[in-house]
Amino acid sequence: QVTLTESGPALVKPTQTLTLTCTFSGFSLSTSKMCVTWIRQPPGKALEWLALIDWDDDKSYNTSLKTRLTISKDTSKNQVVLTMSNMDPVDTGTYYCARTGAGRPWFDPWGQGTQVTVSS
Amino acid sequence: QSALTQPASVSGSPGQTITISCTGISSDVGNYNLVSWYQQHPGKAPKFILYEGNKWPSGVSNRFSGSKSGNTASLTISGLQTEDEADYYCCSYAGNSTWMFGGGTKLTVL
Repeated sequence: QVTLTESGPALVKPTQTLTLTCTFSGFSLSTSKMCVTWIRQPPGKALEWLALIDWDDDKSYNTSLKTRLTISKDTSKNQVVLTMSNMDPVDTGTYYCARTGAGRPWFDPWGQGTQVTVSS
Repeated sequence: QSALTQPASVSGSPGQTITISCTGISSDVGNYNLVSWYQQHPGKAPKFILYEGNKWPSGVSNRFSGSKSGNTASLTISGLQTEDEADYYCCSYAGNSTWMFGGGTKLTVL
């Protein structure tokens, strides 16, 4: 069974850097073509794709947020970390990670999400 | 990156058929056969329900179907059921290993 679980701070202050961890089980990020992605959702708003990392450590980012995002992986720990710098109240929302790749060009499954509030 | 365009809301009665459109541009929806659809109930994480026209994950009803014409993909739900009431999102590959979601559509089953 494939599962993903997001973790990180529930509250960050404006200008701070957010660090989120996606811990997964049931698959390996060392498997050819496997990827993990991050997606966020502001309250009451649409999903927004953020970043992706693949088994070969190639990374891709949302063009609009690229300068603020860094994605990395620790294959031995089955974890993917996303950092977002210079946080702003508009970054408040639920952050999800999901599996993709390896012949599956869709996001499945998703983690339950972690709620992040940006406020002083 | 601008979101793919979806209608904000659609509605239908139980048993009816509804369609949700997802319009992009030639560099995303129109250029790749890589559109997927997600269902999200209130307070829950999104759930993958369909890839392109006919790939469903196990446990998802074949009442959900998809199609694409030019820069527009569509999700059709036949035999509407009350449990279909949710938000629906399309997602397309947008090139250079990036992805884009639609703005979401709220489905109300009357």
